[in-house]
Amino acid sequence: TQLLEQSPQFLSIQEGENLTVYCNSSSVFSSLQWYRQEPGEGPVLLVTVVTGGEVKKLKRLTFQFGDARKDSSLHITAAQPGDTGLYLCAGELWVVYGGSQGNLIFGKGTKLSVKP
Amino acid sequence: DSGVTQTPKHLITATGQRVTLRCSPRSGDLSVYWYQQSLDQGLQFLIQYYNGEERAKGNILERFSAQQFPDLHSELNLSSLELGDSALYFCASSTGLAGFYEQYFGPGTRLTVT
Repeated sequence: TQLLEQSPQFLSIQEGENLTVYCNSSSVFSSLQWYRQEPGEGPVLLVTVVTGGEVKKLKRLTFQFGDARKDSSLHITAAQPGDTGLYLCAGELWVVYGGSQGNLIFGKGTKLSVKP
Repeated sequence: DSGVTQTPKHLITATGQRVTLRCSPRSGDLSVYWYQQSLDQGLQFLIQYYNGEERAKGNILERFSAQQFPDLHSELNLSSLELGDSALYFCASSTGLAGFYEQYFGPGTRLTVT
């Protein structure tokens, strides 16, 4: 069972459309990060959210962390071909005792294709 | 460019062999993390070092080991290689320990075991 479930797994849309990618879990996370990965390259950090209910905007990308810190969403407005890639969410599990260690749990990703 | 370097970029070897992957973290970063990415499992955390000491272990096989040196670079050693070890291996670094010290990933080493 995947600790972080991402949906959809694949998304193919036309340029100019809006889309939302979801990242869900039954576990609480102390922080959650979104990455974008190109084929054959390492993931590139887009944003980190740490507070329940937090909303962060990065140009046409809007990230939201759920109030209970168990889920997150990424919304892209007016998608462009340059947005094509694998979008990964990654969470750091909340550990009551001992503090967090920083190692991330990754979802399997959403492969986005934006056609001109 | 994340500032994290990994060598080699590609590695092809035979089953039963041993290889060493190398990672240099971003300047000033004390934490190094190793991840394995395969098509069916996605990105899996292997092990973390902080300032030379092992801090956390994930799904790392006993055939695999790692260390972080005084200059903070890290090496991941994979031995008795099997076909299933073929994957992309990523190193990431961060300033501190906690997750909100953001992790920056290197370009990865693609390991192919034949």
